[in-house]
Amino acid sequence: DAGITQSPRHKVTETGTPVTLRCHQTENHRYMYWYRQDPGHGLRLIHYSYGVKDTDKGEVSDGYSVSRSKTEDFLLTLESATSSQTSVYFCAISDRDRGRNTEAFFGQGTRLTVV
Amino acid sequence: AQKVTQAQTEISVVEKEDVTLDCVYETRDTTYYLFWYKQPPSGELVFLIRRNSFDEQNEISGRYSWNFQKSTSSFNFTITASQVVDSAVYFCALSGNNRKLIWGLGTSLAVNP
Repeated sequence: DAGITQSPRHKVTETGTPVTLRCHQTENHRYMYWYRQDPGHGLRLIHYSYGVKDTDKGEVSDGYSVSRSKTEDFLLTLESATSSQTSVYFCAISDRDRGRNTEAFFGQGTRLTVV
Repeated sequence: AQKVTQAQTEISVVEKEDVTLDCVYETRDTTYYLFWYKQPPSGELVFLIRRNSFDEQNEISGRYSWNFQKSTSSFNFTITASQVVDSAVYFCALSGNNRKLIWGLGTSLAVNP
C-alpha cells in the first residue's frame, strides 16, 4: 500500500470553528489532492498541489484553503466550518513518470461532521 | 472541457453473472489516461487499472477485463462470473494535460448470492 496517512480519521466540530485536516505521504510524490465525497456527487476536487508551495483550486474550493510547506504534507483548512462541509474527505497522491501521469493513491478518508 | 459519464447509477446481479460497467469520456487532449477505481463498503478507494490513450489493447486481469475504444470514447469494465466480494462502487476517471483527475459519479454494483 502507498504510504499515505490522513489525520484525524473522524472529527465532529461545531459550526464556525476552524478545522485542519492533514495528509502525510512517504512516497515523495509530486502531486497531492484533496477531494470531498458526498452522495450523488461522487468525488469532487477541492484543491491540489503540484509541488511545495504550489497549489491550485479545484471545482469546490470555496471555504477551503490549503498549504504545502514540504513535499510530504498537504494541509486542508476549513476557516469557519459550516454544515455544508460535512463530508468524507480524501487525500490522494500521484506522480509523473517520464512525462506520464501515474495513478493516484488514496488515503483512508476523514469523516467530518459539522454540527 | 473534460468529462466522464457513468450512466449506470446502480446495477444488481446474481452471483456468477457477468456484468459490464460503462464509462464514456470527453476530452480534447491527445494524450490522456483513463483509470478505474473500486470503493468497497469499507470506504477506501482502490486503484484497479490505468490505460493511456495510445494503447487500445484490451486488458484482462483474472475475472476483470477492460475494453478501451477511442472511436466511441469508451472505457468499459467487465467482471466475469461476479462474486459477492465484487459488491462496491466503481469509479472511472480521466487525467489529461492539466494533471487533474476528472471523475465519473460511480456505479454501485450489488452482487447477490
